[in-house]
This record gives sequence, C-alpha cells and structure tokens, in this order.
Amino acid sequence: DAKTTQPPSMDCAEGRAANLPCNHSTISGNEYVYWYRQIHSQGPQYIIHGLKNNETNEMASLIITEDRKSSTLILPHATLRDTAVYYCIVRVSGYSTLTFGKGTMLLVSP
Amino acid sequence: EAQVTQNPRYLITVTGKKLTVTCSQNMNHEYMSWYRQDPGLGLRQIYYSMNVEVTDKGDVPEGYKVSRKEKRNFPLILESPSPNQTSLYFCASSQYTGGSNTEAFFGQGTRLTVV
Repeated sequence: DAKTTQPPSMDCAEGRAANLPCNHSTISGNEYVYWYRQIHSQGPQYIIHGLKNNETNEMASLIITEDRKSSTLILPHATLRDTAVYYCIVRVSGYSTLTFGKGTMLLVSP
Repeated sequence: EAQVTQNPRYLITVTGKKLTVTCSQNMNHEYMSWYRQDPGLGLRQIYYSMNVEVTDKGDVPEGYKVSRKEKRNFPLILESPSPNQTSLYFCASSQYTGGSNTEAFFGQGTRLTVV
C-alpha cells in the first residue's frame, strides 16, 4: 500500500471548517483513500473513502486531487466532539488490512 | 445496532497466566482482525481471519493465538502473557468480498496490563 503523509497536529475553532490534508504521492490506480478517526483511546471510527471522485456523507467531505496524489478531509462545522486523531489510509481494493500511520491530532477549541 | 463487542474492557493479570480476550460481531462479517496500540507505535495488526477456520499472522503475532470457529467470534489468546504485551487491544470486523471495500467496525478496546 502507498505511504501517506499527514501533519502531526492541527487546530480548529468550533463551528469553523476543519480541512485535514493528506499526501499520497505514490498511490496507484487501484488504491482507495480511506479516513478514520480515533477519539481518545476509543476504537477507530470510519469516516469516508473514495477512489478519484469527491465524496460526501453525513460526517464529512473528501476532496481528491485530479492526479490523486493528495486529498483533503473536510469537517464542515467542527465541534468539540470532533477532537480526535485522524488517519488517512491508502488501501488496495479488496484487500482488507488497514495500515495505520501516526495520523493528525485535530484539536477543536471553543 | 451494528457493533463489535470486546470483553473485558480492562484487565490486570500476572506474567504467565493464560488469558483470553473475546470479540464478537453481529454484522455477519467474514473478515475479523486484532490490533494492538502502543504509544509512539500506533495501531499494529496482530492476526486476522478472512472466514471461519481461516486465520493468518499480521505484523506482530508473536505471543498471541487466535481461533475462528464461528463467524461471529474471534478470540485473542495469550498463552503466557508477558509485561511487553501490556497494551490497548482492538478487534475489528468488515465485509470481505474480494472485489469491493466496506468500512471496518472496531470494538471499544481492551486495556491489558501484565505485571
């Protein structure tokens, strides 16, 4: 699986959009981009995934660049409960192992 | 409600005393796995199972055993625990189709301390 690079930490004010970047410059054509988050030692929680088109669900939006070498997870209106470590994972279709990196610690402040 | 249930949530044990951490899922998922999480090392996969009676090693299998006799259950067995197995453990399950991806569901974790 391709390697990902994320900033170690980010801050966001409550109510504002949180934009979390991820670089995956070695991604190959059959690899998906997944995002999970982990709130303080709880089990990781799935957020969203995509291949090349932008995706949106009730939790977040995923923007993937046209060359697929980077992506951005957008939490449109961050709340204090969104404070967590966010993991960007690149994974081959049909291959179910998730390889977690260090992720980005997002701190949402009042 | 779709969920992965681990038990116990917290456990303190002594070196060498065999223990089992149970994991059960109610989503009829084929794929199940165990991870451990340690400060500075992140989440690392211990073992995984693609279906009943099919298990394989992950990145850090030493000192652990698993079994998959039923689809819903995937217990993690520590035959002779040692202090370096003190960690936070997570069980996960997902649908494995071989051709498409589904999200992984994680349990709430088991914090194990071996003294």
